[in-house]
Amino acid sequence: GQNIDQPTEMTATEGAIVQINCTYQTSGFNGLFWYQQHAGEAPTFLSYNVLDGLEEKGRFSSFLSRSKGYSYLLLKELQMKDSASYLCAVRDSNYQLIWGAGTKLIIKP
Amino acid sequence: DAEITQSPRHKIIETGRQVTLACHQTWNHNNMFWYRQDLGHGLRLIHYSYGVHDTNKGEVSDGYSVSRSNTEDLPLTLESAASSQTSVYFCASSDRSNQPQHFGDGTRLSIL
Repeated sequence: GQNIDQPTEMTATEGAIVQINCTYQTSGFNGLFWYQQHAGEAPTFLSYNVLDGLEEKGRFSSFLSRSKGYSYLLLKELQMKDSASYLCAVRDSNYQLIWGAGTKLIIKP
Repeated sequence: DAEITQSPRHKIIETGRQVTLACHQTWNHNNMFWYRQDLGHGLRLIHYSYGVHDTNKGEVSDGYSVSRSNTEDLPLTLESAASSQTSVYFCASSDRSNQPQHFGDGTRLSIL
């Protein structure tokens, strides 16, 4: 079966750095997406990785290792507005997105 | 600005009733998707379409149907609503399969 694993919840302090991990087992791989979802709102696109390595976009970076079936989202200089759920999704061999259940990130002052 | 809108935002209906959730996008995207989101689960794909008159079943399609008569709209119908279909429903669209999906604001559906 296909499976995406993320921690259910994480807590971090304002101004700090946090790493949210995602491991996956899917039938094929055609890219990995990270989305942010604030409570009661729609998911919004953060990053896309298809090749191994680090993609940096401002305070957010995403890393991919295809051989390990592993990705992480790194958030730097955390702000209170970063409190949200972070969703990992993998595009499989049929070009369908398989979604993780999301990681709820709580930022404390 | 282009956007994707869902209606209604909230709906309460009785079991056994039929209900249709609307999704309208002005991105001119070929690909459109319907998901449901429940606590403890990732987004689960219900139906999707890659163009006008094209529809396909997703992971959890039983009890749902869609039709695609134009590029902009993909309405989702629950033929005979069941309490297990209480959920938050998201519509999404994308330009191509390798592009990120853009999501509507969701419809919170309660079936009593």
